[in-house]
Amino acid sequence: QKEVEQNSGPLSVPEGAIASLNCTYSDRGSQSFFWYRQYSGKSPELIMFIYSNGDKEDGRFTAQLNKASQYVSLLIRDSQPSDSATYLCAVNRRWAGKSTFGDGTTLTVKP
Amino acid sequence: GAVVSQHPSRVICKSGTSVKIECRSLDFQATTMFWYRQFPKQSLMLMATSNEGSKATYEQGVEKDKFLINHASLTLSTLTVTSAHPEDSSFYICSASLLAERSYEQYFGPGTRLTVT
Repeated sequence: QKEVEQNSGPLSVPEGAIASLNCTYSDRGSQSFFWYRQYSGKSPELIMFIYSNGDKEDGRFTAQLNKASQYVSLLIRDSQPSDSATYLCAVNRRWAGKSTFGDGTTLTVKP
Repeated sequence: GAVVSQHPSRVICKSGTSVKIECRSLDFQATTMFWYRQFPKQSLMLMATSNEGSKATYEQGVEKDKFLINHASLTLSTLTVTSAHPEDSSFYICSASLLAERSYEQYFGPGTRLTVT
């Protein structure tokens, strides 16, 4: 079992829809959770982080965390074709310098 | 935000030669940096963890004599691919750990595309 699991996709949504990306993790000591976006041919870019249970909103993005279920998700509202990318989930133990990454979910937003 | 640079962005070299890639944290000090490799349409693969002033920790299966890592300062880590071969052609990405208010956060450089002919 991988430490961080994501559906590889591809996930396809129409423009304007809500895209829901999911991630589960196995280390119950994980305390910090991150979402990265990686466009094809580019390096990952940090777009969201969340530390506490519940929701955290930033513009069209909402990160949701449920530590009891060891589950973190990213919702993208009003999806745009420019959101088409691979989204990586990462977790760490907060004061551990290294995050563990999932393999990513590829999202395609169709015009 | 935290900025990490890499140089060069793209390099083509001949088989048997060595290539050095630099990774710099521009606006913060990073005691820990990481080197990843990514083949087309595949996931990130962590190669090694680089700590300032000490030897790098390599992931299983990564040849330490082939991929030399030096982290001489809090803002600079280098990866040298020695005696490169065509199978070393890949996208190499570094990242640096920023000690933020509530956690360490990893920020990535733009990557270096290596082609070995």
